[in-house]
Amino acid sequence: QKEVEQNSGPLSVPEGAIASLNCTYSDRGSQSFFWYRQYSGKSPELIMFIYSNGDKEDGRFTAQLNKASQYVSLLIRDSQPSDSATYLCASNTGFQKLVFGTGTRLLVSP
Amino acid sequence: DTGVSQDPRHKITKRGQNVTFRCDPISEHNRLYWYRQTLGQGPEFLTYFQNEAQLEKSRLLSDRFSAERPKGSFSTLEIQRTEQGDSAMYLCASSLGGGTGGDGYTFGSGTRLTVV
Repeated sequence: QKEVEQNSGPLSVPEGAIASLNCTYSDRGSQSFFWYRQYSGKSPELIMFIYSNGDKEDGRFTAQLNKASQYVSLLIRDSQPSDSATYLCASNTGFQKLVFGTGTRLLVSP
Repeated sequence: DTGVSQDPRHKITKRGQNVTFRCDPISEHNRLYWYRQTLGQGPEFLTYFQNEAQLEKSRLLSDRFSAERPKGSFSTLEIQRTEQGDSAMYLCASSLGGGTGGDGYTFGSGTRLTVV
């Protein structure tokens, strides 16, 4: 079992819809979680982080964490074609090493 | 200092040759990380430094790989006797470190290595 698991997608949503990206993790010692966006051929770019149970909102993005279920999600409201990218979920067990999932490819159609 | 710099951006080398990549982190960041990413996969951890000390190495890092961070500033990653399986994007990242808080990493643009 991989430490961080994501559905590879692609997840296709129409422009203006809500995109929901999900991630599960296996290490209960994981303390903080990160979402990165990666455009094709580019390096990952940090979107959000979360370390407390519940929701955290930043603009069109909301990260959700449920430690009991070992589940992290990222919601993107009012999706735009420019949001089309691969979204990487990562966990940090406290040793400052991030473990990444394989990423979910999001396609937003105009 | 506008971010993490990596050099070169692209490298094509023949199998069996040695290659060296350089990473310049954000100046105030004391932690520096190397990751490798292949197509369709997430970044895989290779090694990390706190200041000049190399604190952890992945078992992915065979003895053909060596990394240094002299004086706790820039870092180099050398691959000796390259193999076709070494073809990947090599990503460097830096962070302030400390605690488990959410500063995350800042990644450089990466070095794409192609071994022919």
